[in-house]
Amino acid sequence: SELTQDPAVSVALGLTVKVTCQGDSLRDFFASWYQQKPGQAPILVLYGENNRPSGIPDRFSGSSSGDTASLIITGAQAEDEADYYCISRDSSGAPWVFGGGTKVTVL
Amino acid sequence: QVQLVQSATEVKKPGASVKLSCKTSTSTFNTFHIHWVRQAPGQGLEWMGMISPRGGSTVYAQRFQGRFTMVRDTSTTTVNMDLRSLRSDDTAVYYCARENMNCDGDCPPGYWGQGTLVIVSS
Repeated sequence: SELTQDPAVSVALGLTVKVTCQGDSLRDFFASWYQQKPGQAPILVLYGENNRPSGIPDRFSGSSSGDTASLIITGAQAEDEADYYCISRDSSGAPWVFGGGTKVTVL
Repeated sequence: QVQLVQSATEVKKPGASVKLSCKTSTSTFNTFHIHWVRQAPGQGLEWMGMISPRGGSTVYAQRFQGRFTMVRDTSTTTVNMDLRSLRSDDTAVYYCARENMNCDGDCPPGYWGQGTLVIVSS
């Protein structure tokens, strides 16, 4: 199955942005989220049922409803400008699958 | 601090094979699944497969089955991979990554190597 993300989204500095990830497998499995800046390896920012790895600011949170998972950045900062990818287990084919990625621009 | 150290850039011709390595600590090697993920220039992340610390069992993404292999080298605590019959669209940065928690492969990659650039060009 596939995970679908919007290619790009923008947010004004200090406001809230939601990045969505849609796919059938999300009805059965949690999504996790990565932040990736140019030339760098991805960083896990959210996993499981809304868990943040150590060092990830609490402005990053998650939600889920039906076949859609969301990464929410509350009070977006300039350093949050990056590409964001969701990943989840896949109920067919590959055990893991990434979404196509969303470029978040902070205005 | 979790470290995964990957091998250097490779330049290959179409049809050739490439072998990449991912050096880990003993605790990582013996405890956690290692994933391989690639990213073509300007493109998104693509999951390729993972290898278990227990017995080295492997799971591959369907599109890579038959030309992608992962193996563990216990003597050097290194996970090696090789990709065969290379095409120009295999040009990408290849990452190894450790699952973020000890979940027997049920947790996403959490700690990433620095990546290895593979260029496939005639």
